[in-house]
Amino acid sequence: DAGVIQSPRHEVTEMGQEVTLRCKPISGHNSLFWYRQTMMRGLELLIYFNNNVPIDDSGMPEDRFSAKMPNASFSTLKIQPSEPRDSAVYFCASSPTMTGELFFGEGSRLTVL
Amino acid sequence: ELKVEQNPLFLSMQEGKNYTIYCNYSTTSDRLYWYRQDPGKSLESLFVLLSNGAVKQEGRLMASLDTKARLSTLHITAAVHDLSATYFCADQGGSEKLVFGKGTKLTVNP
Repeated sequence: DAGVIQSPRHEVTEMGQEVTLRCKPISGHNSLFWYRQTMMRGLELLIYFNNNVPIDDSGMPEDRFSAKMPNASFSTLKIQPSEPRDSAVYFCASSPTMTGELFFGEGSRLTVL
Repeated sequence: ELKVEQNPLFLSMQEGKNYTIYCNYSTTSDRLYWYRQDPGKSLESLFVLLSNGAVKQEGRLMASLDTKARLSTLHITAAVHDLSATYFCADQGGSEKLVFGKGTKLTVNP
């Protein structure tokens, strides 16, 4: 079975540019989570969805960040405009249920210059 | 606020030795997870502990959960180099959110 698929794996962009990260969850999983990982702050939950509906976005750092899940097999995390402090690895994870074990994608490493 | 504290954060040990990583959490959760992350890689699920007293073992790793003490441990037996990685515990906290500790970076030296 295919796992969680994220793209791009690496992105280097300049400050002020728009960044879109993409995630395809495991088929049949109802919950999807976006995490950010940095050395300083560790793993932070940004937002999660259940049945395509955002449940909690309290971890989204600011209005420059937005996330959507238009259908059960696709989600995006957008940063507009990007800033150097957004540089991090962004992980998408999915789960069969909201309280189940998470399965992580390979991550998208974002560098904002 | 959910808090998950791991210690130690860094652990260097010799092959063949035993050691324990501790994970303290702040909620009354009975659902605790352990993950492994290799450098530059994703997080891989190791153990799911779902009740007080739960103990699970896989190879040289054994995880346990004491919900009364709000403590989970990850015990390493006779460490080998392949176990070098960062280990995270995560608490579900009675909600949907999975809150991670800062991780324990384990280095096993020959």
